[in-house]
Amino acid sequence: QVQLVESGGDLVKPGGSLRLSCAASGFTFSNYYMNWIRQAPGKGLEWVSYINRGGSSIYYADSVKGRFTISRDNAKNSLYLQMSSLTADDTAVYYCARESHGGTRLGNDLDFWGRGTLVTVSS
Amino acid sequence: EIVMTQSPATLSVSPGERATLSCRASQSVSSNLAWYQQKPGQAPRLLIYFASTRAPAIPARFSGSGSGTEFTLTISSLQSEDFAVYYCQQYNNWPPYTFGQGTKLEIK
Repeated sequence: QVQLVESGGDLVKPGGSLRLSCAASGFTFSNYYMNWIRQAPGKGLEWVSYINRGGSSIYYADSVKGRFTISRDNAKNSLYLQMSSLTADDTAVYYCARESHGGTRLGNDLDFWGRGTLVTVSS
Repeated sequence: EIVMTQSPATLSVSPGERATLSCRASQSVSSNLAWYQQKPGQAPRLLIYFASTRAPAIPARFSGSGSGTEFTLTISSLQSEDFAVYYCQQYNNWPPYTFGQGTKLEIK
């Protein structure tokens, strides 16, 4: 069965950095577009970043552009999010999510999500 | 950026009754709209995609309708496990993918 397991969340000071990982299993990871979505405590869902199958097409939300870097290692079935210059506004649960339709079209719903990893930015 | 607006923010319905949730887009998203259910402490779960297609294993009591800018999620006969927060998401004009702010469905 499809599984996405995030890790790397932690308490970090403002201005600090953190690297999140998402381990994928139960499907051919290299065939799918992937995303990071975040949810601040008690708030709604916010899209953070997208990466295509080979990593050649990447997009970011304006709120994280220039500070976050998404990447993937298809040989390791893993997705990453390198975060730097963190602020309190980045405090959230970060989910990795798979796009539907196996990379056959651009713009998709998100058919599988991990359980998330909590990033807390506080001094 | 397309803004998604959900209404109402909170909906109180009795078990066994019908619930109707709305989602409006600031401009047309065609039928490129999804609905998700999120329970406390859990990840969102895909319910509906392409505005009206149920995701695998989603019960038939969940149905979606609409196109363009107006969309509806209907739950025909509420079960106890359906009380949760529901989000809509557009994937027609991206980046960014955008979500509505959510509708909390609570027991009346």
